[in-house]
Amino acid sequence: EAGVTQFPSHSVIEKGQTVTLRCDPISGHDNLYWYRRVMGKEIKFLLHFVKESKQDESGMPNNRFLAERTGGTYSTLKVQPAELEDSGVYFCASSRELLGAANTEAFFGQGTRLTVV
Amino acid sequence: AQKVTQAQTEISVVEKEDVTLDCVYETRDTTYYLFWYKQPPSGELVFLIRRNSFDEQNEISGRYSWNFQKSTSSFNFTITASQVVDSAVYFCALSESWNTGNQFYFGTGTSLTVIP
Repeated sequence: EAGVTQFPSHSVIEKGQTVTLRCDPISGHDNLYWYRRVMGKEIKFLLHFVKESKQDESGMPNNRFLAERTGGTYSTLKVQPAELEDSGVYFCASSRELLGAANTEAFFGQGTRLTVV
Repeated sequence: AQKVTQAQTEISVVEKEDVTLDCVYETRDTTYYLFWYKQPPSGELVFLIRRNSFDEQNEISGRYSWNFQKSTSSFNFTITASQVVDSAVYFCALSESWNTGNQFYFGTGTSLTVIP
């Protein structure tokens, strides 16, 4: 079974540019999550999809961030325009059930390291 | 306020030593879930363990063991006879049942270096 895959693994962009990150969850996983780790800080929740619907986007920092999950398969996270403080590692995770369900495990991708210069 | 605190930022041990990574959490929920994830140099977060709040039994898996104590709100992780391959960043995380977003609250991570 393929794991959670994220593209690209690294991205360096200039302030003001646009970047789109992609996440391919494990097949059959309805739940998809985006998280971000700013250097040295904790990994913070951004949003949660159930299939194609945004279940919770309370962690999205501002309206420069747009996440989509068309068709309930892969998801994209677009940052437009990027700012310096957006630099960090963006993780995607997927799970078959909600985290509170018995024996549920969330699988994470390797992350996309975004550097805004 | 931080829901999960990992006070140890970096730890270095010599191979074969035992090491304990501390995790303290904060929640008002009576039902919650605690996790440990390992982040090796390759970058992905690898699941290690999940513990439900109503199950305080400690767990051992090979060289890994976890000590869950609700009285002190701690969920510490011990590696016995550490090996170089254990070098990684370890994250403790909390998920609360009332949270319909089903999100993890992560600590800041502890970077473990095992010196050969």
